[in-house]
Amino acid sequence: EDQVTQSPEALRLQEGESSSLNCSYTVSGLRGLFWYRQDPGKGPEFLFTLYSAGEEKEKERLKATLTKKESFLHITAPKPEDSATYLCAVQSDGNNRLAFGKGNQVVVIP
Amino acid sequence: KAGVTQTPRYLIKTRGQQVTLSCSPISGHRSVSWYQQTPGQGLQFLFEYFSETQRNKGNFPGRFSGRQFSNSRSEMNVSTLELGDSALYLCASSLSREQYFGPGTRLTVT
Repeated sequence: EDQVTQSPEALRLQEGESSSLNCSYTVSGLRGLFWYRQDPGKGPEFLFTLYSAGEEKEKERLKATLTKKESFLHITAPKPEDSATYLCAVQSDGNNRLAFGKGNQVVVIP
Repeated sequence: KAGVTQTPRYLIKTRGQQVTLSCSPISGHRSVSWYQQTPGQGLQFLFEYFSETQRNKGNFPGRFSGRQFSNSRSEMNVSTLELGDSALYLCASSLSREQYFGPGTRLTVT
């Protein structure tokens, strides 16, 4: 069974204070690892897909990286609008279902 | 391009009743997946439909069912509602690996 563990569960950052979120996973064969952002009362918003170890993707202040056992979401010089819950999910070979972690709740204080 | 839409956005039902939720995928997307999100369990996969056929199913009781129509729109049904069915129900559509989520239907069972 695919498993995803995210840490830390919650994080408070000062504006401009960079940090990283961790996503550890076990999967029989990785088809893709996905990062989403979710704001309260809304559906998850797609951010990145990573397919193989060593891959990196960037979008504005966010950068996602992937190894064979974990992924990191780096937030550089965060702003209050980056406050959200960040969800990590994996998809295994031959399967379209996503297995999600419990999320990293990030609050950026001005 | 319009995103995934879900109706209704909010529902209040009584224990023992049944409910039907609707999802319209992004135009051209043939795969629709359903997820349940609760504070305790996070996001859990319910089932996936592709070309009107259920392609995958999660570990939920038979009270949870779904279907997909020829225009790719999907519905899910929950019969004999229990208090524990209170959750945000999310629909996601996909063309390949990435899944794009709708805003969700907030179901409250009293």
